[in-house]
Amino acid sequence: AQKVTQAQTEISVVEKEDVTLDCVYETRDTTYYLFWYKQPPSGELVFLIRRNSFDEQNEISGRYSWNFQKSTSSFNFTITASQVVDSAVYFCALSEAGSARQLTFGSGTQLTVLP
Amino acid sequence: ETGVTQTPRHLVMGMTNKKSLKCEQHLGHNAMYWYKQSAKKPLELMFVYNFKEQTENNSVPSRFSPECPNSSHLFLHLHTLQPEDSALYLCASSQDEQWGGRLFFGSGTQLSVL
Repeated sequence: AQKVTQAQTEISVVEKEDVTLDCVYETRDTTYYLFWYKQPPSGELVFLIRRNSFDEQNEISGRYSWNFQKSTSSFNFTITASQVVDSAVYFCALSEAGSARQLTFGSGTQLTVLP
Repeated sequence: ETGVTQTPRHLVMGMTNKKSLKCEQHLGHNAMYWYKQSAKKPLELMFVYNFKEQTENNSVPSRFSPECPNSSHLFLHLHTLQPEDSALYLCASSQDEQWGGRLFFGSGTQLSVL
């Protein structure tokens, strides 16, 4: 069975600080996909990134970066120079077969960026 | 126009009421999903429709009844709900069920059962 753990329930930072959101996953498959979604107060989840298990290269997109480490089963997300608009709930998710039926979400991390 | 639209945004209903949630996607996708999001709990997949055929019912009680008349529309019919059914109900779509890609979500319907 697959499992996603986001141990940080809530994080609060001051604007311009860097913040890292942790994600640890469990799976028996060698082929799987990892995701991060953002849920702002408006409610809809917004896709941020997808990574497959064969691509351990870290990715940077603007102020966002992701660190995928298979050795520790982690897929952490860092926001550099945080902004108030980054305040949201962030979900990490895992799919073993690339199917939505097997997509497991973590419980989410509420990030609050204070001005 | 947003890709996935859900109505209503908020719904309050009594335990004996019958109501329906509506979802419409304008993305040309073939798979649609209902998720339940309760406070402090992970998102729970409820139903999956792929090319209008239901392919997943994740042990959802029969008081929730989905309907997918075409690939663009998805309904969730509600009847005799319980207070513990109060939650945010999210609709999502994707190119197809074996997407290997991303889900597009609506803003959800916040349901309160009194």
